[in-house]
Amino acid sequence: NAGVTQTPKFRILKIGQSMTLQCTQDMNHNYMYWYRQDPGMGLKLIYYSVGAGITDKGEVPNGYNVSRSTTEDFPLRLELAAPSQTSVYFCASSYPGLAGGPYEQYFGPGTRLTVT
Amino acid sequence: GEDVEQSLFLSVREGDSSVINCTYTDSSSTYLYWYKQEPGAGLQLLTYIFSNMDMKQDQRLTVLLNKKDKHLSLRIADTQTGDSAIYFCAAFFSGGYNKLIFGAGTRLAVHP
Repeated sequence: NAGVTQTPKFRILKIGQSMTLQCTQDMNHNYMYWYRQDPGMGLKLIYYSVGAGITDKGEVPNGYNVSRSTTEDFPLRLELAAPSQTSVYFCASSYPGLAGGPYEQYFGPGTRLTVT
Repeated sequence: GEDVEQSLFLSVREGDSSVINCTYTDSSSTYLYWYKQEPGAGLQLLTYIFSNMDMKQDQRLTVLLNKKDKHLSLRIADTQTGDSAIYFCAAFFSGGYNKLIFGAGTRLAVHP
């Protein structure tokens, strides 16, 4: 099992450019998440998906879009990149979580994005 | 609203115990978690505690939960340089969709 993989590891974008951050998991998890991590701010949820074809906004969705055409893949699209989107982006996946059992999110290694 | 708070830095000497503290706002959280993030890596689950427990011990790790005060702590005994990392407290919320609310993370620095 590779777990959760993300590409690229690093990227520098110019203001106004677009890019897609890739995320793939091989654990057959229903739930997938995109977070951004800013220094001293913890993780903020951008978008999440509860299954193929179903996505919804998290806390900070502006400037981003997602799609979920398969169980395995959950790409995050940045349109018109802005300096405020400079951050480290983490993808995570999980089972839904059952009553009486712990709920664990598995994280990818992250993508460090700089917008200048 | 839902919030998780923790102090940002902790510095300890190698061999001492480390205690990282966390407070959360929603008393309905059924599970509380500690994640560890090493430099340049993603978060990995370290341990968790169910809300009907007061304490959980796992080798060098001890988790204490005070549900009345909504306070969670992680104690690392005999702290080693390999324990240097950022430690995130997280609370599980099931309203609407299952999610974790993370604290800002505590950076633990272990010095000789």
